[in-house]
Amino acid sequence: AQKVTQAQTEISVVEKEDVTLDCVYETRDTTYYLFWYKQPPSGELVFLIRRNSFDEQNEISGRYSWNFQKSTSSFNFTITASQVVDSAVYFCALSGGNAGNMLTFGGGTRLMVKP
Amino acid sequence: ETGVTQSPTHLIKTRGQQVTLRCSSQSGHNTVSWYQQALGQGPQFIFQYYREEENGRGNFPPRFSGLQFPNYSSELNVNALELDDSALYLCASSTGHSYGYTFGSGTRLTVV
Repeated sequence: AQKVTQAQTEISVVEKEDVTLDCVYETRDTTYYLFWYKQPPSGELVFLIRRNSFDEQNEISGRYSWNFQKSTSSFNFTITASQVVDSAVYFCALSGGNAGNMLTFGGGTRLMVKP
Repeated sequence: ETGVTQSPTHLIKTRGQQVTLRCSSQSGHNTVSWYQQALGQGPQFIFQYYREEENGRGNFPPRFSGLQFPNYSSELNVNALELDDSALYLCASSTGHSYGYTFGSGTRLTVV
């Protein structure tokens, strides 16, 4: 069975601070996909990134960066110079292998960025 | 692309009643999935439809059922509502190749 753990339930930072959201996953499949989604108060899940299990290159997109390490089964997300608009709940998710397209989500991390 | 639209946005039902939630998928997306998100938790997979047939189901009882229509719209039906069914129900559409999922804003169901 697949499992995703986001140990940080809530993080509070001051604007312009850097913040890292942790994600640890479990799967027996060799081919799988990892995702990060942002959920603002409106409720919609906003897609941020998808990474397959064969691509361990770190990725940077503006103020966002992701660190994928298969050796530790982690897929961490860093926001540089955080802004108030980054305040939301962030979910890490896993799919693939025997689970097919089904997404297994972590419990989420609520990020609060204070001005 | 028109995105994923869900209706209604909010709903209040009484325990024991039945409810139908609707989703209009993104154009060209032939796979639709439904998720239940209880307050303060991550979404839980209910089931998935591909070309109008269910092709995956999570740990939910049979009183949760669905339909997908040729125009890629879909429904989630829940019979014999229980208080624990109170949650945000999210619909997601994709091309079915794990390239990512487009989610709607959800229907918040409250069972009293």
